[in-house]
Amino acid sequence: EDQVTQSPEALRLQEGESSSLNCSYTVSGLRGLFWYRQDPGKGPEFLFTLYSAGEEKEKERLKATLTKKESFLHITAPKPEDSATYLCAVQALGKFYFGSGTKLNVKP
Amino acid sequence: DTAVSQTPKYLVTQMGNDKSIKCEQNLGHDTMYWYKQDSKKFLKIMFSYNNKELIINETVPNRFSPKSPDKAHLNLHINSLELGDSAVYFCASSQGVRAGNTIYFGEGSWLTVV
Repeated sequence: EDQVTQSPEALRLQEGESSSLNCSYTVSGLRGLFWYRQDPGKGPEFLFTLYSAGEEKEKERLKATLTKKESFLHITAPKPEDSATYLCAVQALGKFYFGSGTKLNVKP
Repeated sequence: DTAVSQTPKYLVTQMGNDKSIKCEQNLGHDTMYWYKQDSKKFLKIMFSYNNKELIINETVPNRFSPKSPDKAHLNLHINSLELGDSAVYFCASSQGVRAGNTIYFGEGSWLTVV
């Protein structure tokens, strides 16, 4: 059964067109929710960790938020260099569970 | 300096062969992992070592055997390779196994079994 589900699978945006990526989870005993960015041919690169509902973190054009059931990664005025696959992971019971990612393509 | 490095990056080999992937981290972390990423991009944990001791051993064929000579190294040996073993294998590390510790990944090793 899926424990971490990301949507949409793929997202095409025009440069400057803001949007949000979703990560919903069903694990209990959440100890942390992580966002990673993965470029083609590379390993996942850490972006944020969120620990509790209501928490928010920002980095440049990215803002991550967390509720009790899901997390959003908001991308404000994206640029082509933001194109990548964004992975969400939750930590519970000592394990990490990854979603399959959202592939973001930002066109100039 | 690369924090988590793994070699080789690309590996093409025939069915039935035995191969190894090496991993080293220079972050001073206590815990290291092997993950497998399939064609659908899901990252699934295979093994985890904490201070050279195996702590997570997911349901993987026993043809896969991890070895940790010290806490900075975690190698993955695969015997009798099969076509279904083709995937990207990521090494990773974190500072211990406490809740909320971030996992840092290597660049991946692309294994193709022909």
